[in-house]
Amino acid sequence: ETGVTQTPRHLVMGMTNKKSLKCEQHLGHNAMYWYKQSAKKPLELMFVYNFKEQTENNSVPSRFSPECPNSSHLFLHLHTLQPEDSALYLCASSQGEAGGIQYFGAGTRLSVL
Amino acid sequence: GDSVTQMEGPVTLSEEAFLTINCTYTATGYPSLFWYVQYPGEGLQLLLKATKADDKGSNKGFEATYRKETTSFHLEKGSVQVSDSAVYFCALNIQGGSEKLVFGKGTKLTVNP
Repeated sequence: ETGVTQTPRHLVMGMTNKKSLKCEQHLGHNAMYWYKQSAKKPLELMFVYNFKEQTENNSVPSRFSPECPNSSHLFLHLHTLQPEDSALYLCASSQGEAGGIQYFGAGTRLSVL
Repeated sequence: GDSVTQMEGPVTLSEEAFLTINCTYTATGYPSLFWYVQYPGEGLQLLLKATKADDKGSNKGFEATYRKETTSFHLEKGSVQVSDSAVYFCALNIQGGSEKLVFGKGTKLTVNP
């Protein structure tokens, strides 16, 4: 148990569907992150939230919409995705200071048909 | 920009063999350096870290020494086990900067009995 829980673990969706990924952390951290992990590519940071405020958006397409209602919860809303968006989506949290350790969830394996 | 380069995998070893996974970095400041490990079906978890030059991080028999003169942070283990089979990621974070991590592409290790 890493203290960071992601649901669902697996998701299959069509290109016209709307779905949401959920992340919850029980570590009392102030920062939360979304990463995309694709085969043979480095881990891609998508979004960073610190104290519920978005501090980073790495040129992510608007079909990905994050939401952070409080420091413990992070969502990634998905709509009109493309097949190339199929990947493992990882959530992480940390205290928020530089040099800090990030704690990862197990990820959501997304397949877009 | 800041970047991490680690050796291409996959790496396949027999049990009890010596392991080295090379990692070099480019950074404008004085980074903290990390090794994360991802076991099959799981998210990333911290394996070890070092925050300044000549520091040695160690955990579960793995070691890595922060070498500022060669900008390297190579991961080593004297005797690998089947349970060490995983993907290993080298990462850096700039001290005094944000909490973002920059990851290498990952090196897949398979240890055969």
